[in-house]
Amino acid sequence: AQTVTQSQPEMSVQEAETVTLSCTYDTSENNYYLFWYKQPPSRQMILVIRQEAYKQQNATENRFSVNFQKAAKSFSLKISDSQLGDTAMYFCACNTGANSKLTFGKGITLSVRP
Amino acid sequence: DTAVSQTPKYLVTQMGNDKSIKCEQNLGHDTMYWYKQDSKKFLKIMFSYNNKELIINETVPNRFSPKSPDKAHLNLHINSLELGDSAVYFCASSQALGLAREQYFGPGTRLTVT
Repeated sequence: AQTVTQSQPEMSVQEAETVTLSCTYDTSENNYYLFWYKQPPSRQMILVIRQEAYKQQNATENRFSVNFQKAAKSFSLKISDSQLGDTAMYFCACNTGANSKLTFGKGITLSVRP
Repeated sequence: DTAVSQTPKYLVTQMGNDKSIKCEQNLGHDTMYWYKQDSKKFLKIMFSYNNKELIINETVPNRFSPKSPDKAHLNLHINSLELGDSAVYFCASSQALGLAREQYFGPGTRLTVT
């Protein structure tokens, strides 16, 4: 079984600055995918970025990038040039196994201050 | 235009009642899921179906029964509702089973049991 840990319950960042959200995971599988999902106040779950465990290169999607440290089982999300619309809960998740079982962390509430 | 839709979006009912939540996806996906998000925002998989076949059945009370009449629909029926069933229930779909598959979430159904 896999576990995903997000130890920071909430963070705050000034608009236009950079913030990093932490996530650690544990799995016995060799191949797996890691995801960050965003849940704004509207409640809609939105995929932000994904990373395959076999790829050494960190994934990047516009202002969002990850720092994937496989040995440390760490998968942090960096948001550059933070915008007010980034205010949301962010969930780290791990997908292992043929059954596509997605295990989520507890989430972190990010507030972007104007 | 809605990719994954759920009805109803809000459901208020009394203890002991039976209720259903419906989910439909128009993405042509093979795999569908039900998740429960509790009051602390923790998101946990309940069930998944692939081509109408039950794949994941987590430790969920047997008062919860999913039904997939076809690949585009996955409904959730709950018998004898309890206070602890109050939560937001999310339906999701993915193109197929697989580690890399993005899961597309519906808007959620907020169930309140009084």
